[in-house]
Amino acid sequence: KNEVEQSPQNLTAQEGEFITINCSYSVGISALHWLQQHPGGGIVSLFMLSSGKKKHGRLIATINIQEKHSSLHITASHPRDSAVYICAVRYNAGNNRKLIWGLGTSLAVNP
Amino acid sequence: NAGVTQTPKFRVLKTGQSMTLLCAQDMNHEYMYWYRQDPGMGLRLIHYSVGEGTTAKGEVPDGYNVSRLKKQNFLLGLESAAPSQTSVYFCASSASYEQYFGPGTRLTVT
Repeated sequence: KNEVEQSPQNLTAQEGEFITINCSYSVGISALHWLQQHPGGGIVSLFMLSSGKKKHGRLIATINIQEKHSSLHITASHPRDSAVYICAVRYNAGNNRKLIWGLGTSLAVNP
Repeated sequence: NAGVTQTPKFRVLKTGQSMTLLCAQDMNHEYMYWYRQDPGMGLRLIHYSVGEGTTAKGEVPDGYNVSRLKKQNFLLGLESAAPSQTSVYFCASSASYEQYFGPGTRLTVT
């Protein structure tokens, strides 16, 4: 069992829909990252958060440390949002430069 | 700024051949990382560096070596390539905790 679990694994939506991607983890963390990987392969950091909520444009990320859970929301989805969304966590202990990665959620937004 | 660049973008090797992947960053970041990405698996850390002249093992270091002779460059070497090393390799750098990724190198070992 991966220490970072994402759901769903695959998601198809219609343009304009509200999308939620979930990430659960099993250990104490100091921060959680959300990243986006486009079909061409490039990986871009979207958010880094350790509590509460962050918003950037149509993207919103929330985290509940007690429940060990984070969500990434996309409002008014668009075909250009089609990508793989990856959750990664940084542990509290040890060398906390290293990240533990989820397997990603593949999102397809149809026009 | 170019950010993080990787050379080459694609490569095909025969089993037993050697090669070096180059990662360069122009953001003056202290930390640099090499990952591999395989279908059905999350990114896995191969080696990383916390500064010029330093390297450390990640989760899957076997079969790879690295060097960080200059702060801006992080080299990943395969001494004797194996089919199990067929993968997409990503380099990343960071100043603090947010990592910036290169475009990736797709390596096939036949």
